Amino acid sequence: GDSVTQMEGPVTLSEEAFLTINCTYTATGYPSLFWYVQYPGEGLQLLLKATKADDKGSNKGFEATYRKETTSFHLEKGSVQVSDSAVYFCALSDPPGAGSYQLTFGKGTKLSVIP
Amino acid sequence: GAVVSQHPSWVICKSGTSVKIECRSLDFQATTMFWYRQFPKQSLMLMATSNEGSKATYEQGVEKDKFLINHASLTLSTLTVTSAHPEDSSFYICSARDRATEQFFGPGTRLTVL
Repeated sequence: GDSVTQMEGPVTLSEEAFLTINCTYTATGYPSLFWYVQYPGEGLQLLLKATKADDKGSNKGFEATYRKETTSFHLEKGSVQVSDSAVYFCALSDPPGAGSYQLTFGKGTKLSVIP
Repeated sequence: GAVVSQHPSWVICKSGTSVKIECRSLDFQATTMFWYRQFPKQSLMLMATSNEGSKATYEQGVEKDKFLINHASLTLSTLTVTSAHPEDSSFYICSARDRATEQFFGPGTRLTVL
């Protein structure tokens, strides 16, 4: 079945540091890929997504590129802020129009940014 | 973005009792709602998918008689944990999907069974 593997946390960075959270997936075909963020005490929020190979999703300074050849969707940000402290989840679903909207999640990576 | 609420945000109950958790889409109609369970330091595990007016579809290994799901309207789904036991203690999260593909997540409900 489909699966998502993301780097284990927690990750602790100083403010303005560069962030990379690795995510790889196993799926048939061309799944849609997502990054969700969960701030303390809140529900998951969609951070960015990509639906086809070589697409780049971006939002709030975060970016991730859909790499079919390496089955990866790594999350990056050039300069993190304290407010980016949260748990980040990589996820996939069937391609648009495939009918199933179920999400398969990675285990989550907790990011702490210190001033 | 669209807002999904859950109630209660936390609940503590005695073993053997039943607990109902509500999930509401506040500003959109949810054709499909999903229920997840999240264990500490682990991913979200999909428990079931429910469409308004029809029976829920449960994932393999999830007891449908244990976790009753009702999706009576386009804005409300409920999860009832029947005869709860300590091993049912977990964080339960719902999400709702409108006619597009994006899912909007509720803040979760922490269930503790004593």
